[in-house]
Amino acid sequence: GQQLNQSPQSMFIQEGEDVSMNCTSSSIFNTWLWYKQDPGEGPVLLIALYKAGELTSNGRLTAQFGITRKDSFLNISASIPSDVGIYFCAGQLTTGNQFYFGTGTSLTVIP
Amino acid sequence: NAGVTQTPKFRILKIGQSMTLQCTQDMNHNYMYWYRQDPGMGLKLIYYSVGAGITDKGEVPNGYNVSRSTTEDFPLRLELAAPSQTSVYFCGSSYMYYGYTFGSGTRLTVV
Repeated sequence: GQQLNQSPQSMFIQEGEDVSMNCTSSSIFNTWLWYKQDPGEGPVLLIALYKAGELTSNGRLTAQFGITRKDSFLNISASIPSDVGIYFCAGQLTTGNQFYFGTGTSLTVIP
Repeated sequence: NAGVTQTPKFRILKIGQSMTLQCTQDMNHNYMYWYRQDPGMGLKLIYYSVGAGITDKGEVPNGYNVSRSTTEDFPLRLELAAPSQTSVYFCGSSYMYYGYTFGSGTRLTVV
């Protein structure tokens, strides 16, 4: 299967700080999704990206579809305690219907 | 407006037993998916369906079967449970590649 590398694996930040994480692949994707998963829950879609170079915001979250189509980035501004969770990227290849998921970035926000 | 509903939420099976994980969506989505999530890992696709009567294998289909007789339902069948199938199972649905939504998961332990 496809390998999506997310970095960093985990982050510990102070409340109010900005957060950046990314997802990279050796393959070209035509769609990128970013999800947040709280403990014991299913992933919840945060942002969907459908075009190379696209920059999309959802409140304090901003995600970008990399120009090379092999990467995507998620930024969270002014973090708050409820941002705690695991953030997953998911990518869809140019062919086929499967979405491949990264291994996640675990975010801890210290009040 | 329930979204994606999975039952049961928890289950313990003995090796060799069989069971069906149920998944229902009320959003009239044509695409449905089954993923498994192992501890500390991202989601891996087991099977997916692009419409009633059509199913396809994902990355890790061995030991599972699915059917899609209606738009709403996409059950996942485990015929001979093995310890390697201990995992959290998520069902998801989407309209084409949009509105990707997950259920809250079924936590399965095989002993």
